[in-house]
Amino acid sequence: QSVLTQPPSASGTPGQWVTISCSGSASNIGSNTVNWYQLLPGTAPKLFIYTTKQRPSGVPDRFSGSKSGTSASLAISGLQSEDEADYYCAAWDDSLNGWVFGGGTKLTVL
Amino acid sequence: QVQLVESGGGVVQPGRSLRLSCSASGFTFSSYAMHWVRLAPGKGLEWVALIWYDGSNTYYADSVKGQFTISRDNSKNTLYLQMNNLRAEDTALYYCARDTSSRGRYYSDHWGQGTLVTVSS
Repeated sequence: QSVLTQPPSASGTPGQWVTISCSGSASNIGSNTVNWYQLLPGTAPKLFIYTTKQRPSGVPDRFSGSKSGTSASLAISGLQSEDEADYYCAAWDDSLNGWVFGGGTKLTVL
Repeated sequence: QVQLVESGGGVVQPGRSLRLSCSASGFTFSSYAMHWVRLAPGKGLEWVALIWYDGSNTYYADSVKGQFTISRDNSKNTLYLQMNNLRAEDTALYYCARDTSSRGRYYSDHWGQGTLVTVSS
């Protein structure tokens, strides 16, 4: 049971707009920034969004992050087949003194 | 460039111990907090432990508290995870990750490829 709650799956057709939600609490998302990682089979996690809405260099601007209260979202516009992967949200938790992750969302491009 | 290379994984019987290592290069290792994160089969990412840049403070997930010990040797640019009394539920791919801060509250911009630990009789 993950501390942050994500839908287990999401899907869309090429070109569509898709969002992935991440729900937490006051001790994590409510008081800290949110980060998103992409995980492809056999590869290391890749930082996709940091401090809630910043994109590292190399991440397409089709990806954007936002936060409201104790929930966060990852939005992907103009979905492409290469976006198919598992996406995890994460945040520091002030009560646990560590990172907490969502359970991951498997994004499928139909 | 930043490189993190984990080693030390393998197949181990329940109740035994294992020590993982993470060799760092391409950056000033002693300036950054480091984390261990694991990915169990069929499950999601789970944060395991954090150590400050100078090793003065460590933090653990409740699931491994008292069982795992994180440490570092800044003279050798190496991070460790001592895992004792291993259980089947500790089976996972273990990643080391560099935090962007010295005390680990933020995010990781660099991860290793992981080392696989399998606990089985």
